[in-house]
Amino acid sequence: GAGVSQSPSNKVTEKGKDVELRCDPISGHTALYWYRQSLGQGLEFLIYFQGNSAPDKSGLPSDRFSAERTGGSVSTLTIQRTQQEDSAVYLCASSPGQGKLEKLFFGSGTQLSVL
Amino acid sequence: GDSVTQMEGPVTLSEEAFLTINCTYTATGYPSLFWYVQYPGEGLQLLLKATKADDKGSNKGFEATYRKETTSFHLEKGSVQVSDSAVYFCALRASGTYKYIFGTGTRLKVLA
Repeated sequence: GAGVSQSPSNKVTEKGKDVELRCDPISGHTALYWYRQSLGQGLEFLIYFQGNSAPDKSGLPSDRFSAERTGGSVSTLTIQRTQQEDSAVYLCASSPGQGKLEKLFFGSGTQLSVL
Repeated sequence: GDSVTQMEGPVTLSEEAFLTINCTYTATGYPSLFWYVQYPGEGLQLLLKATKADDKGSNKGFEATYRKETTSFHLEKGSVQVSDSAVYFCALRASGTYKYIFGTGTRLKVLA
């Protein structure tokens, strides 16, 4: 595709359920990021993947959050046992990678609502 | 740790007014600095960037100068338009990492 694609665009779930959010980065981009956007909190870094290197997971808020990136392309962010405070917009971004164009290309995000 | 602090919004201006959105940062070494913009209903996109001290980034009439002595990267525009209404995010990438740290965003509303 032409840009970063995220699905679903909206997700409503019940407290305690697990959710999976998907990100398709721009073809050829080796770097992939997940951020969380909450009202008044700006963009909170969650996790970063670069090629085949071990991901930087330093921003994941708890062990309920995990992410994987298969084949260096598609990524899935999983939130287990969702809580109301997990409600936010989850943004994915990709970038050509280290030493290349220093620019993040963002998707439109997944609006997660935990009831 | 590394952080970015932006002025709180919303900022409301009349068309053709001068715009300043303040941004200061805390980081070790020499970070790269960025402004991203999120127009209504759209995703975030890069507005401008500067990678070393005293560099000036510019795009679409917006400018920001990397000031290491004051650890600032304030966004300015001489004459805003209604179409500039958006949320503006200041960000940094610390040297030696590829983690981008964003500020809380500043909403700008320009009235005709």
